[in-house]
Amino acid sequence: AQSVTQPDIHITVSEGASLELRCNYSYGATPYLFWYVQSPGQGLQLLLKYFSGDTLVQGIKGFEAEFKRSQSSFNLRKPSVHWSDAAEYFCAVGPYGNKLVFGAGTILRVKS
Amino acid sequence: DADVTQTPRNRITKTGKRIMLECSQTKGHDRMYWYRQDPGLGLQLIYYSFDVKDINKGEISDGYSVSRQAQAKFSLSLESAIPNQTALYFCATSDALNTEAFFGQGTRLTVV
Repeated sequence: AQSVTQPDIHITVSEGASLELRCNYSYGATPYLFWYVQSPGQGLQLLLKYFSGDTLVQGIKGFEAEFKRSQSSFNLRKPSVHWSDAAEYFCAVGPYGNKLVFGAGTILRVKS
Repeated sequence: DADVTQTPRNRITKTGKRIMLECSQTKGHDRMYWYRQDPGLGLQLIYYSFDVKDINKGEISDGYSVSRQAQAKFSLSLESAIPNQTALYFCATSDALNTEAFFGQGTRLTVV
């Protein structure tokens, strides 16, 4: 079954604190994995992706994610959050047939 | 110019009216997609196209139709709009399923 779960609808962190956004999926083999960010009024922008190789992936804006096959997870991390990171974050997984499936999203709020 | 341009950006229409959302891209990609975003549901795939003659239904195609007029143009139509089609609509394009998808800025549609 196609399933991508982002368990946290909202997360609030203090500026300068570390961040981890969770993504779990159901998939029979090694999937394609993506994290996208959506700033208010904007489309989605790719942060990083994984489909093979080193399981720790570096992305833009200081983000990284780790593929853990045993946990079917691809969590997004950042060591120190900036106020400009406030946005909605989407995990996407595929291929399911010819498609990617997106998670429901996690809204990140940053408090000063 | 933006890689993916959607028009209009905002639209209010009445129940029963026909409406078309347009999308054009300058990336030169063959693959184009239409997604719908609702709060708490993430992005759901409406239709996708791999070339001008290849149109495929996504998860939620009922009530929608599409036209791929050229490699660069992919339009979405609501033949008879209903209030529960009120949502944010995104067009996207990609070179392949495991590569970055480029999104437009979205069309906010309200059906009253």
